[in-house]
Formats: sequence, structure tokens, C-alpha cells
Amino acid sequence: GDSVTQMEGPVTLSEEAFLTINCTYTATGYPSLFWYVQYPGEGLQLLLKATKADDKGSNKGFEATYRKETTSFHLEKGSVQVSDSAVYFCALRLPFYNQGGKLIFGQGTELSVKP
Amino acid sequence: DGGITQSPKYLFRKEGQNVTLSCEQNLNHDAMYWYRQDPGQGLRLIYYSQIVNDFQKGDIAEGYSVSREKKESFPLTVTSAQKNPTAFYLCASSGSGTGVSYNSPLHFGNGTRLTVT
Repeated sequence: GDSVTQMEGPVTLSEEAFLTINCTYTATGYPSLFWYVQYPGEGLQLLLKATKADDKGSNKGFEATYRKETTSFHLEKGSVQVSDSAVYFCALRLPFYNQGGKLIFGQGTELSVKP
Repeated sequence: DGGITQSPKYLFRKEGQNVTLSCEQNLNHDAMYWYRQDPGQGLRLIYYSQIVNDFQKGDIAEGYSVSREKKESFPLTVTSAQKNPTAFYLCASSGSGTGVSYNSPLHFGNGTRLTVT
């Protein structure tokens, strides 16, 4: 079935370090791919998305490229800040005829950035 | 501002009691979803509704019930049949009508943390 696998956390980095969080997916057809971020005690906020192969989503210095050949959507940021500390979720979205267009999530990766 | 409102933020109940979590949206979205989040895990779908007066079970619907009498509202009831109800519950919505594709993201509320003792 359809699924998303993320690298396990927690990931601890120093401020200004380079960030990569790996995400791979299994899906029939051509899903849309998303990264969401969750700050402590809050809901999920959309960080970026990509809707077809080779699309690059970007926002707030974060980037991810939809790689169909490797079924991957890795999240990257060139220089992290303390304020980036949060849990990051990779997700794919199914078409509406498939369980109402639900999102399927990875297990989340906790990022901690130290000053 | 448009958004999704979940209330209350924290909820405490005794075992054996039913409890209802509120979710209201003013985004004019047709589709609404309930997810459950447990520590260190991803989110799992409980129920979803693509249109008023219709809803479907998700992956972990046992012990839960929902209603969709209005477009704006999608309350979730956690019944006494739910074996492990303590969790963080998230409501989400998305457009799903003509012209809206599954390229659209889901919008999430800020969640309700339910503790049952």
C-alpha cells in the first residue's frame, strides 16, 4: 500500500549547519508530496509542496525536489536557525476517489538546533 | 482570517465517559478530516467527510463517531469503546469540489489534547 518513510530523529544540529531530512515514498500513480512542520503543542503548518516529478518546492529557505526515479522528497536547508527546531513530517496525498484524498504521513523527524 | 478552530485545547475525562471534540472551519472547504497523533508517531486518519451529511471511516475508526450536519462543522466523539483514547487530535480541511485537485494541501487546526484517566 501507499506509505511514507522518514529518517528517524531526533536530529541535533548547530546553528548555521546544513540540514537534510530524508523522505521516501511508495505510491501507485502520481501523488502530490508535502512537508509539514509542527511546533510544540500546535497543529501542522504547510512548509512546502510539489505536485509532479522534478518539481521543487521551497519556502523560508527550505527546499525539496520531487524525485520520481528514486521515489524521494528529501528536505534541505542550507543554514538552520534555532527557530527551526520543530518536528517535520513528510506526506503524500491520494486522489479524492481514494479515501477522500487523505494525507499519508511519515512518522516525523524531530529537529533540535543549538545556538 | 480564515482557518480551523478546535476546542478545547486540553480536555480531561474519566474512563467510561464519551467526549466530543469540536472542529469548525470558515474556509468554505467541502472536505474535512480527523487525525490522531501519538507520541513519536505520524498521524493516522480516523474519519473523513467530503460533503455535508456524508462521512467515511478512516484507518482507525473503531471507538469514534462523527457527524457532518453543516459544512463548517465536523465534531468527533470519542466513545467509551475506544481502548486508548489519550492522544492529540487534529482536525483538517481541504477543498474538494470541481476545479480543486489533490495538489491542494490540507489545512490543520491547533489540535485538542485529550487525557483519559
